[in-house]
Amino acid sequence: NAGVTQTPKFRVLKTGQSMTLLCAQDMNHEYMYWYRQDPGMGLRLIHYSVGEGTTAKGEVPDGYNVSRLKKQNFLLGLESAAPSQTSVYFCASSYPGGSGSNEQFFGPGTRLTVL
Amino acid sequence: AQKVTQAQTEISVVEKEDVTLDCVYETRDTTYYLFWYKQPPSGELVFLIRRNSFDEQNEISGRYSWNFQKSTSSFNFTITASQVVDSAVYFCALSSLSGGYQKVTFGTGTKLQVIP
Repeated sequence: NAGVTQTPKFRVLKTGQSMTLLCAQDMNHEYMYWYRQDPGMGLRLIHYSVGEGTTAKGEVPDGYNVSRLKKQNFLLGLESAAPSQTSVYFCASSYPGGSGSNEQFFGPGTRLTVL
Repeated sequence: AQKVTQAQTEISVVEKEDVTLDCVYETRDTTYYLFWYKQPPSGELVFLIRRNSFDEQNEISGRYSWNFQKSTSSFNFTITASQVVDSAVYFCALSSLSGGYQKVTFGTGTKLQVIP
């Protein structure tokens, strides 16, 4: 099992460009998440999904969109990249659990730089 | 709003020393879960432990132990006889369901360096 995979691993964008980060999991997890990690700020939740076709906003959703067309995939889109979106992006997945009870499995991360 | 505070930004210890990583949280929810994750230099976060808000029993797993005290809103992590492989960033996290939405809050992490 590959677990959670993310593509690409690295990307450099110019301000205003768009891109999509792909997350895939092969564990049949219902829940999927996108986080960003910035120095001194830990991980912050951008968007999450509790099932195919459903998405919800997290703590820092502005400037990002997501889609969950297939259960195993969760896409994060940046329509018009800004330097403030320079970060390391992590995808995670988990089984559903009451009150957010289940641990998350993380991908290896995508390092994005916006010039 | 919920909050997780890891006041220790970086800790250095010599191999075989014991070390405790502190985690203090704030939440108004009565049902919640606390987690510890390890992020080694490779970058991928790895789950270590989960504790729910109704279970204050301490837990030991090999050289790792966790102390959950609801009275002080703390969930501290102790590594006994530290090893170089323990060098990593450790994150404490709080998760709850509120208004139908899942809230997940991570602390800012504690970077542990174990010196041989």
